[in-house]
Amino acid sequence: GNSVTQMQGQVTLSEEEFLFINCTYSTTGYPTLFWYVQYPGEGPQLLLKVTTANNKGSSRGFEATYDKGTTSFHLQKASVQESDSAVYYCVLGVAGNKLTFGIGTRVLVRP
Amino acid sequence: GGIITQTPKFLIGQEGQKLTLKCQQNFNHDTMYWYRQDSGKGLRLIYYSITENDLQKGDLSEGYDASREKKSSFSLTVTSAQKNEMAVFLCASVQGNYAEQFFGPGTRLTVL
Repeated sequence: GNSVTQMQGQVTLSEEEFLFINCTYSTTGYPTLFWYVQYPGEGPQLLLKVTTANNKGSSRGFEATYDKGTTSFHLQKASVQESDSAVYYCVLGVAGNKLTFGIGTRVLVRP
Repeated sequence: GGIITQTPKFLIGQEGQKLTLKCQQNFNHDTMYWYRQDSGKGLRLIYYSITENDLQKGDLSEGYDASREKKSSFSLTVTSAQKNEMAVFLCASVQGNYAEQFFGPGTRLTVL
């Protein structure tokens, strides 16, 4: 089956620090990969999306690169702000309309 | 733009009670989903529907029923509420494959 692994449950940073969230996936199909972000009291919303055709996605200063060799899709941001505090989900789409979510990484940015 | 509305925002029930959660979308999307969100476990798919009157089971469908009587609405029923299923239930919709899923704000279920 399909699976997504996010090892970090919580990451705590100070403003302007570098953020890196590790994500690996497993599938026998052709993946489309997403990062969703969830702010308190809201549902998740799409942060960025990458297909096997374009390999790299970026949005609002966040970047993620799809690496087929290591089956990884890590998320990074060079300089975080307090407003980036949220839960980040690595998500795998393979066939049809079903998505597989990772467990989420809570990011807390201190001012 | 569009919006997904979930009612109620908070739902409190007794153990063994049948409870219904409702979701409405005005995107005119074909596909709608119900997910359960537990802390430390991410989102898990309960049911989804690719068109009016269609229902497909997800990984966590046992103990739940769903209904898609109109394209714009998708309801979820907890058939017999249990204390171990206190969680946030999220509704989402999408148009097409691998497109962005739009989520509602969630219904938080508490079972006494």
